[in-house]
Amino acid sequence: DAGVIQSPRHEVTEMGQEVTLRCKPISGHDYLFWYRQTMMRGLELLIYFNNNVPIDDSGMPEDRFSAKMPNASFSTLKIQPSEPRDSAVYFCASSPVDPNEQYFGPGTRLTVT
Amino acid sequence: GQSLEQPSEVTAVEGAIVQINCTYQTSGFYGLSWYQQHDGGAPTFLSYNALDGLEETGRFSSFLSRSDSYGYLLLQELQMKDSASYFCAVKGNTPLVFGKGTRLSVIA
Repeated sequence: DAGVIQSPRHEVTEMGQEVTLRCKPISGHDYLFWYRQTMMRGLELLIYFNNNVPIDDSGMPEDRFSAKMPNASFSTLKIQPSEPRDSAVYFCASSPVDPNEQYFGPGTRLTVT
Repeated sequence: GQSLEQPSEVTAVEGAIVQINCTYQTSGFYGLSWYQQHDGGAPTFLSYNALDGLEETGRFSSFLSRSDSYGYLLLQELQMKDSASYFCAVKGNTPLVFGKGTRLSVIA
């Protein structure tokens, strides 16, 4: 299996622009997670899906953030408008039935200037 | 809410044994996981403990005491490639909450 795939790997954008991050989970995994990692705040869960349905989005920082999972093989995390404080590494992870063992993608390093 | 405490940094000598501790507070506890992350890389799953006791996987072992809200990761026969950050993560009423990580430096 190819593992979790994320794109783009790096994104540099200006404040106020829309940013869309993409994720393809491992085939057959029921859960999909979006995380944000910064030095100050560590690894934070933003939102997770079970069988394409959003279960908990309490970690989404603001209304500027939204996530969708239109089918079992694709998810997006959108930030509109972006701000410098959104600069971080964003990870997508998937897991089979047991969400304790998660498989992370390589991450997207986002820089907002 | 949920919180986890682990040391921020640990240094150990190649070939030695190192233990990374993790204490947690959580509402609703199902298990403790450990992940490894190399600089610039993604977290990778190491182990999961749902019950008290020691789980061994090669050079790595993980321990859990539910009554003490405590666990640790034990790395034996340290190698240079073990230099990385190690995160404990607790499953309570949300899938996983991660600690801030312990940066392990293995020196010759």
